[in-house]
Amino acid sequence: AQKITQTQPGMFVQEKEAVTLDCTYDTSDPSYGLFWYKQPSSGEMIFLIYQGSYDQQNATEGRYSLNFQKARKSANLVISASQLGDSAMYFCAMRGVRDDKIIFGKGTRLHILP
Amino acid sequence: EPEVTQTPSHQVTQMGQEVILRCVPISNHLYFYWYRQILGQKVEFLVSFYNNEISEKSEIFDDQFSVERPDGSNFTLKIRSTKLEDSAMYFCASRGLDRGLYEQYFGPGTRLTVT
Repeated sequence: AQKITQTQPGMFVQEKEAVTLDCTYDTSDPSYGLFWYKQPSSGEMIFLIYQGSYDQQNATEGRYSLNFQKARKSANLVISASQLGDSAMYFCAMRGVRDDKIIFGKGTRLHILP
Repeated sequence: EPEVTQTPSHQVTQMGQEVILRCVPISNHLYFYWYRQILGQKVEFLVSFYNNEISEKSEIFDDQFSVERPDGSNFTLKIRSTKLEDSAMYFCASRGLDRGLYEQYFGPGTRLTVT
C-alpha cells in the first residue's frame, strides 16, 4: 500500500526566507509520480510541481523545487524567497504506475510572517 | 489555460436529501475522478472513471454514491441520501495524456454542507 507522511503540521517562516516542507513516502510500485499541491484558505487545490520516479533531475517550477531523494524515499518541497501569498496548506501526494488514484499526505500549514 | 470547473461552489442540503455535484473536466481529458476532503483532514480518493465506467472506487464510495457522464462534457457525483458525515469539500479532477501519465488537474471544489 502507498503512504505519504508529512511530519510538520504547521510552520512559521519569515517572509523572503527559503522554506522546506518535508515529505516521505512508501510504495512498492517500481514507477511512481510525486506531487505537491497548495491549498489556500479559499479551498481550491493548486498543482505546484511533479517529480517522476525515474526523472534524473529534481523538478523545478519557478520558486518551487522538489528535493527528490529516492533512496531515502523523500520528496521535500523547497520554496525559495517566500512571500506572504505562500501562506496556505501544502499537500504532498503520490500516484503509482499500477494505480490511478492520488494518495495525499495530511498536509503542512505554512504561515509566512511579514 | 484550460481548467476543470465545478458547480455549485457551495451546496447546503438537509440530511436524507439527494445532491448532484457537477464537474466539467478539461475537454480532451479521458480520465475523471472525485475526491473529498472533510474539514481539516486530508484529501481522500472516492472514484475514478474511464470509458464510461468506474475503474476504481474506495471504501467510502458505497451504494449511496454514483457517478455519471451524462453527455460529452459533464461528470457528476450523486449522493442519494445525504448524511451529516458527507459534509466535506468535493473535488473533481481529470487527466489526459498531454503532460505525462500522472498529472491530474483539480477543480476548485464544491463545499457540501449537510444539516
